[in-house]
Amino acid sequence: GNSVTQMEGPVTLSEEAFLTINCTYTATGYPSLFWYVQYPGEGLQLLLKATKADDKGSNKGFEATYRKETTSFHLEKGSVQVSDSAVYFCALGGYNQGGKLIFGQGTELSVKP
Amino acid sequence: EADIYQTPRYLVIGTGKKITLECSQTMGHDKMYWYQQDPGMELHLIHYSYGVNSTEKGDLSSESTVSRIRTEHFPLTLESARPSHTSQYLCASSRGDGTDTQYFGPGTRLTVL
Repeated sequence: GNSVTQMEGPVTLSEEAFLTINCTYTATGYPSLFWYVQYPGEGLQLLLKATKADDKGSNKGFEATYRKETTSFHLEKGSVQVSDSAVYFCALGGYNQGGKLIFGQGTELSVKP
Repeated sequence: EADIYQTPRYLVIGTGKKITLECSQTMGHDKMYWYQQDPGMELHLIHYSYGVNSTEKGDLSSESTVSRIRTEHFPLTLESARPSHTSQYLCASSRGDGTDTQYFGPGTRLTVL
């Protein structure tokens, strides 16, 4: 069946460091891929998404490219800030999911000043 | 900015009480979802609805029940709360198109003593 695997956390970085959070997926067909972010005490917010192969989603300095050949959707940011400290979820959805999303287990990011 | 609301935000109750967690959205979305989130962050889909009078159980078995009498409203009820129900409950909605972006409420943190 369809599944999402995320890099385990927690990840601790210094401010202005480069961030990569790995996400790989298994799916039939052509899923859409998402990154959601959850700040402490809040619900999830959509960070970015890509709906077809080679699409790049971007928002707030974060980027992820939908790579069908490696079944990956890694999240990157060139220079993290303390305010980026949160939990990040990779998710998979699409027409054959009936509206439901499959989430990875989440990766906690802590950025130190 | 997503318009999806959950009340209460925090609830502490005793064992055996009946509780209803409220979720409302003003976006006219057909699809709505309830997730249970572990302290370890992982999200589990417990209920979903594709429209009025449609409800389905999710991937994780739950003793809670839901109803969908109006498009905008998707309450979750526990007839007799137990300490094992202590968790964070997140409500979400989506338009139901192929891209399946879900918009989340802020969550209800439930503690059963």
